[in-house]
Amino acid sequence: TQLLEQSPQFLSIQEGENLTVYCNSSSVFSSLQWYRQEPGEGPVLLVTVVTGGEVKKLKRLTFQFGDARKDSSLHITAAQPGDTGLYLCAGVPPYDYKLSFGAGTTVTVRA
Amino acid sequence: DTGVSQNPRHKITKRGQNVTFRCDPISEHNRLYWYRQTLGQGPEFLTYFQNEAQLEKSRLLSDRFSAERPKGSFSTLEIQRTEQGDSAMYLCALQTSQGGTEAFFGQGTRLTVV
Repeated sequence: TQLLEQSPQFLSIQEGENLTVYCNSSSVFSSLQWYRQEPGEGPVLLVTVVTGGEVKKLKRLTFQFGDARKDSSLHITAAQPGDTGLYLCAGVPPYDYKLSFGAGTTVTVRA
Repeated sequence: DTGVSQNPRHKITKRGQNVTFRCDPISEHNRLYWYRQTLGQGPEFLTYFQNEAQLEKSRLLSDRFSAERPKGSFSTLEIQRTEQGDSAMYLCALQTSQGGTEAFFGQGTRLTVV
């Protein structure tokens, strides 16, 4: 059983459209991270959010941490085929270092 | 380049054989993790080291699994008497020494048990 629930599990959109991926939990996290993983490779860190209510922008990607630090979202504007991949959220419980991952959202952007 | 090298990248083995994977940090990180990832799932924590000390092991880590980090640098993960259920991607990850929680992953070792 994974601590973090991601939705949707799969997302297929046309180039230029927007998408949002959600990461929810009943647990509080001291920080939450988003990773992107391509087939046959390890996850690559995109962003870390630490403060409740925090919003971070990385070019066309916007990350939000919930006020209660239990949930997060990733929004991609004007998606491109290069955004295709598995998006993973990972939370760090208070007083801990190790990451607990969600099951991931597979995003496919069609040209 | 994430600063983590894993070898081999792929391993196919027969059921019952032993396998060993290696993780080499390119730079110094005092926390080193092993994760396992199966198809359609996120990585699951197996074990972690702070320098050479193994501080925590998951319940997923059966007696057939053993990990070492003899000098606080590289680490090995050995699986004895492999089973088909061991087939997965095994990932090594590092965290910095300055208290941050960001993890830098290697490219993983894909194990297939036939």
